[in-house]
Amino acid sequence: GAVVSQHPSWVICKSGTSVKIECRSLDFQATTMFWYRQFPKQSLMLMATSNEGSKATYEQGVEKDKFLINHASLTLSTLTVTSAHPEDSSFYICSNMGAGTQYFGPGTRLLVL
Amino acid sequence: GENVEQHPSTLSVQEGDSAVIKCTYSDSASNYFPWYKQELGKGPQLIIDIRSNVGEKKDQRIAVTLNKTAKHFSLHITETQPEDSAVYFCAASKTGNQFYFGTGTSLTVIP
Repeated sequence: GAVVSQHPSWVICKSGTSVKIECRSLDFQATTMFWYRQFPKQSLMLMATSNEGSKATYEQGVEKDKFLINHASLTLSTLTVTSAHPEDSSFYICSNMGAGTQYFGPGTRLLVL
Repeated sequence: GENVEQHPSTLSVQEGDSAVIKCTYSDSASNYFPWYKQELGKGPQLIIDIRSNVGEKKDQRIAVTLNKTAKHFSLHITETQPEDSAVYFCAASKTGNQFYFGTGTSLTVIP
């Protein structure tokens, strides 16, 4: 299956700062990548679909100015959590599409103090 | 839109026994059904999938069955081992892009 990496694997930041999470498709070019958020013991919540070379498509209720997504190349999508607050603390997971299915990255745990 | 329900939410089995997790979906146009295993602190990993033109698929100790008429599909794990302990998610997809996930099943295999 497709290999997806994320960086960093975990990050702690102060309230009010911005955090950038990188998602890389390592073994094929991904025109579409997805960003999910997962709270403890809950399912995956799709935040947005990242499209290479165009604007991301955000799910209802997700603030696009809060969660900035950039998909500047076929192998890299980034999620920036702007002016992070403690309620943004969560597990963020990206995925790409390969052969009709989604392959997930290892996730990034964000803790905002 | 699609609605995927998953049961049970938690499941405990003795090592060596079988485990079955069931999912139902609402959109009859859904045609792709993957299963993911998520270990603590990690991203979900695809373990098996099935497409709507197939009724059953098996990969060693893992099998998935699909009943299109009833709109449900199940994951079967035989001869469970402690390393099978994890959270399992089912999903349904119509276009291959938008995936709708179940709420997850926490499986514990007791040695």
